[in-house]
Amino acid sequence: DAGVTQSPTHLIKTRGQQVTLRCSPKSGHDTVSWYQQALGQGPQFIFQYYEEEERQRGNFPDRFSGHQFPNYSSELNVNALLLGDSALYLCASSRNTGPLHFGNGTRLTVT
Amino acid sequence: QKEVEQNSGPLSVPEGAIASLNCTYSDRGSQSFFWYRQYSGKSPELIMFIYSNGDKEDGRFTAQLNKASQYVSLLIRDSQPSDSATYLCAVKLKTSYDKVIFGPGTSLSVIP
Repeated sequence: DAGVTQSPTHLIKTRGQQVTLRCSPKSGHDTVSWYQQALGQGPQFIFQYYEEEERQRGNFPDRFSGHQFPNYSSELNVNALLLGDSALYLCASSRNTGPLHFGNGTRLTVT
Repeated sequence: QKEVEQNSGPLSVPEGAIASLNCTYSDRGSQSFFWYRQYSGKSPELIMFIYSNGDKEDGRFTAQLNKASQYVSLLIRDSQPSDSATYLCAVKLKTSYDKVIFGPGTSLSVIP
């Protein structure tokens, strides 16, 4: 039973560029949440997708956008990258009221 | 007031001792509470979840919830060096459907 998978594992981008991160949820899960985790901090909620719609959004600018596909997989897009966007990006999936299960994350470095 | 607060630590305990990790939350109507363990450079791993007041035990781990005091804790008995990690408290907010908010984490170091 595959868990949550994320790609790529590492990414280096230049300021101003755009990036797309991908996530496949755990089998049987239909909800995908994205988090940003800066070094030494807890994960910060970006947004959540359910039934291909953004259901909840955290305090992140519109440069952060996402999408969920019919197979429940999801993408996180970040435009006009800033140095401060350097972080570990975590995807978590869940079903109904169950707990979040995390993927291994994507380490994004913006230079 | 932040939504979920934890002692930042670091918390150091000797091997074999009990480690006590604490968390408070601001949303009084929250119903679901989670503890995650995160090793350096890795993603969070679910340890326990608790929904009802009282204690919930799973092996060496015990989660305690007091909704009246808006307080949740994690006890780790017989601490091992492999327990050294950051422990994240997470709360599913009643005010926002299925939105889970994390605390800043407490760094635990178990000294052999």
